[in-house]
Amino acid sequence: TQLLEQSPQFLSIQEGENLTVYCNSSSVFSSLQWYRQEPGEGPVLLVTVVTGGEVKKLKRLTFQFGDARKDSSLHITAAQPGDTGLYLCAGDNTGFQKLVFGTGTRLLVSP
Amino acid sequence: DARVTQTPRHKVTEMGQEVTMRCQPILGHNTVFWYRQTMMQGLELLAYFRNRAPLDDSGMPKDRFSAEMPDATLATLKIQPSEPRDSAVYFCASGLQGGSYTEAFFGQGTRLTVV
Repeated sequence: TQLLEQSPQFLSIQEGENLTVYCNSSSVFSSLQWYRQEPGEGPVLLVTVVTGGEVKKLKRLTFQFGDARKDSSLHITAAQPGDTGLYLCAGDNTGFQKLVFGTGTRLLVSP
Repeated sequence: DARVTQTPRHKVTEMGQEVTMRCQPILGHNTVFWYRQTMMQGLELLAYFRNRAPLDDSGMPKDRFSAEMPDATLATLKIQPSEPRDSAVYFCASGLQGGSYTEAFFGQGTRLTVV
């Protein structure tokens, strides 16, 4: 059983569309992070959210941490082909900063 | 340009052979993570170290895997003996524990194929 479940698993959309990726857990996390991974590379950190209800924006990407700190979402506005990749949420629910990753969402944005 | 360096990038070995993967964390980082990534299981945490001390290696098959940090500039992951099911991409990541969270910076991974 995965600690962090992401949905959807796969998403194929056209350039210009909006999308939301979800990261859910039954556990409380002290923080949640979002990473993007491209083929042949390691994941790259996008953002860290720490406070329940927190919203962070990174250009066309909006990240939200749930009020209860059990879930998070990533919203992309006007997706571009450069957004294509594997999106991973990650967090620690142990208090020892043990970073575990979610199941991942594979996004394909076509021109 | 600080980055995590992993060697080798690719490794093909025969079943039963020993495999050693190396990682040079970013200078000044006090936390090192080892992950394994497969299509089926995703990114699994194998072990992690803080200030060179192992904190958790519960994700590793103990009978064949071992992880060490001989010094602050080198982390190693060994598999002995290797099996075909160990085929995966192994990632090392380093970070600096600060406050309530650690942000991880990943290497490019070692793609291991055991035949």
